[in-house]
Amino acid sequence: DTGVSQDPRHKITKRGQNVTFRCDPISEHNRLYWYRQTLGQGPEFLTYFQNEAQLEKSRLLSDRFSAERPKGSFSTLEIQRTEQGDSAMYLCASSLELGRDRSYNEQFFGPGTRLTVL
Amino acid sequence: GQSLEQPSEVTAVEGAIVQINCTYQTSGFYGLSWYQQHDGGAPTFLSYNALDGLEETGRFSSFLSRSDSYGYLLLQELQMKDSASYFCAVRDNYGQNFVFGPGTRLSVLP
Repeated sequence: DTGVSQDPRHKITKRGQNVTFRCDPISEHNRLYWYRQTLGQGPEFLTYFQNEAQLEKSRLLSDRFSAERPKGSFSTLEIQRTEQGDSAMYLCASSLELGRDRSYNEQFFGPGTRLTVL
Repeated sequence: GQSLEQPSEVTAVEGAIVQINCTYQTSGFYGLSWYQQHDGGAPTFLSYNALDGLEETGRFSSFLSRSDSYGYLLLQELQMKDSASYFCAVRDNYGQNFVFGPGTRLSVLP
């Protein structure tokens, strides 16, 4: 257990439905990342937050995806109008960044949410 | 764009030493990390290199050559529990997001 939790662990939905995932990072971590991973591939960056600010979003990410981190604590990732191609493991990771010259580079990953779109 | 290359599979026997290579092409290189992921599990951090040279942590060592855009993970005294996928990841875009490689599946045989 890394201290990062995700909910739900599994989600099965029908194409066209909306889904929302939650991530609770390690409390003192200021950075939170979302990744998507498919079988046999490495995690693919989706977006990240520095405290409550969303600083970067992958250019590959559809407008159907949105993420929030209110108050700089937990984060939610919403997928609207799901498609079968959205089926994947969605991973959340948190880290403590202390500035460019003193940043820590260890990301702590949660167990992931496995999404299946039928 | 950014890209990383790793061998897809490596097989070794218990007690042996194995090296997993990673070559990368990216802008704004900030550092190279290595993660281990067991089947059904989440990635866990192994090591990080920002400067050229070798970093050692127990049975695992990681090496970086920025001039060659190359790094490797060295696993010594292999154990069955080391069977997993190993990912290299570079910090890109002037130290912001991480780009992961495709992963190397290591199988340790008795």
